[in-house]
Amino acid sequence: DTGVSQDPRHKITKRGQNVTFRCDPISEHNRLYWYRQTLGQGPEFLTYFQNEAQLEKSRLLSDRFSAERPKGSFSTLEIQRTEQGDSAMYLCASSERRGTNEKLFFGSGTQLSVL
Amino acid sequence: AQSVTQPDIHITVSEGASLELRCNYSYGATPYLFWYVQSPGQGLQLLLKYFSGDTLVQGIKGFEAEFKRSQSSFNLRKPSVHWSDAAEYFCAVGASGFQKLVFGTGTRLLVSP
Repeated sequence: DTGVSQDPRHKITKRGQNVTFRCDPISEHNRLYWYRQTLGQGPEFLTYFQNEAQLEKSRLLSDRFSAERPKGSFSTLEIQRTEQGDSAMYLCASSERRGTNEKLFFGSGTQLSVL
Repeated sequence: AQSVTQPDIHITVSEGASLELRCNYSYGATPYLFWYVQSPGQGLQLLLKYFSGDTLVQGIKGFEAEFKRSQSSFNLRKPSVHWSDAAEYFCAVGASGFQKLVFGTGTRLLVSP
């Protein structure tokens, strides 16, 4: 169990550029979640996958955001035409649903700064 | 819609003293409730969760929380705080297990010697 890993840890970009983040969940975890955390706030749900299917998306996820999990393993989150308001920590989490014994494991996040 | 309020932004506790972090939630049905801890540069770690049953829940690192439906509260407690407990603590509520958690704004715990 190597934990949930996210890459890169930090990303600095200029407004208008596209960025892509990667999340590698714990192997065999069938659920994968993306959250966003801004300074002084708690994480906010963005979207989640069960295997390769994207089951739900938050209204926070504008059409500039897209997430994929093509083979049900790793996931990518792309932000097109970044804006300063996109600056935040993007957190990935994974879990394996086993009734009420589900445990959600978070990665350390990708810190995005849009200049 | 679900919501979580953590009224204390910062709390300072002396090492060895007891701790209580407050959490109030808003949700129409029986909620799924969680406490997470976040240390600098680290991911969120689950301390404990309440789904049903006994309203006093034991977690890791000596933490416990009590679900009080009448007060819509799920306060986190620890009898004796250690310096390593200094971190940010988040309360969260979910409608169905871990899906779409709604987090509070967090409470930063400072531990004084």
